[in-house]
Amino acid sequence: QKEVEQNSGPLSVPEGAIASLNCTYSDRVSQSFFWYRQYSGKSPELIMSIYSNGDKEDGRFTAQLNKASQYVSLLIRDSQPSDSATYLCAVNIRDNAGNMLTFGGGTRLMVKP
Amino acid sequence: DTAVSQTPKYLVTQMGNDKSIKCEQNLGHDTMYWYKQDSKKFLKIMFSYNNKELIINETVPNRFSPKSPDKAHLNLHINSLELGDSAVYFCASSRWTGLPNSGNTIYFGEGSWLTVV
Repeated sequence: QKEVEQNSGPLSVPEGAIASLNCTYSDRVSQSFFWYRQYSGKSPELIMSIYSNGDKEDGRFTAQLNKASQYVSLLIRDSQPSDSATYLCAVNIRDNAGNMLTFGGGTRLMVKP
Repeated sequence: DTAVSQTPKYLVTQMGNDKSIKCEQNLGHDTMYWYKQDSKKFLKIMFSYNNKELIINETVPNRFSPKSPDKAHLNLHINSLELGDSAVYFCASSRWTGLPNSGNTIYFGEGSWLTVV
């Protein structure tokens, strides 16, 4: 069983729509959750972090966390073609001294004009 | 100035060769990492160093040997390269080791594309 799972996509949405990206994780003691955006041929870039249950909004992005269901999601409102990228969910799986993030395989988002 | 820089960006080499990838960060961070991203986009941690000391070694073959001459540099040397080593290798850094939080974000370099033929 993979520790962090994402649908690989591609997820195709029209410009202006809401894109919904989902991620599930296996470790109940995980405390920190992140969404990274990775454009093709580029490095991952942190766009959202969330640490407690509920919603966290930052501009057009909203991260949602449900620890009971071991589920974290990212909503992108008013999607733009420039949002087209792979979105990586990352979870701190182990509660140890190491700053270890475990990444999902990413969901490729395509926003069509 | 690039915060986390790594060289070379592209590397094509033959099986059996030995190669190195260099990484430097100018953020003043204590902790540096090497991650490997395979063709399926899975990004997996290989090593973590804190102030030049090895913290994490995630079941990486011992053909891979990281070296940290100081806390701003973490180089990756690979011996006897194999076809399966072809991947993108990302160097990264964070302020300190320990649980990631808003003050301890991991910053990635631009990646080094390694192709073994």
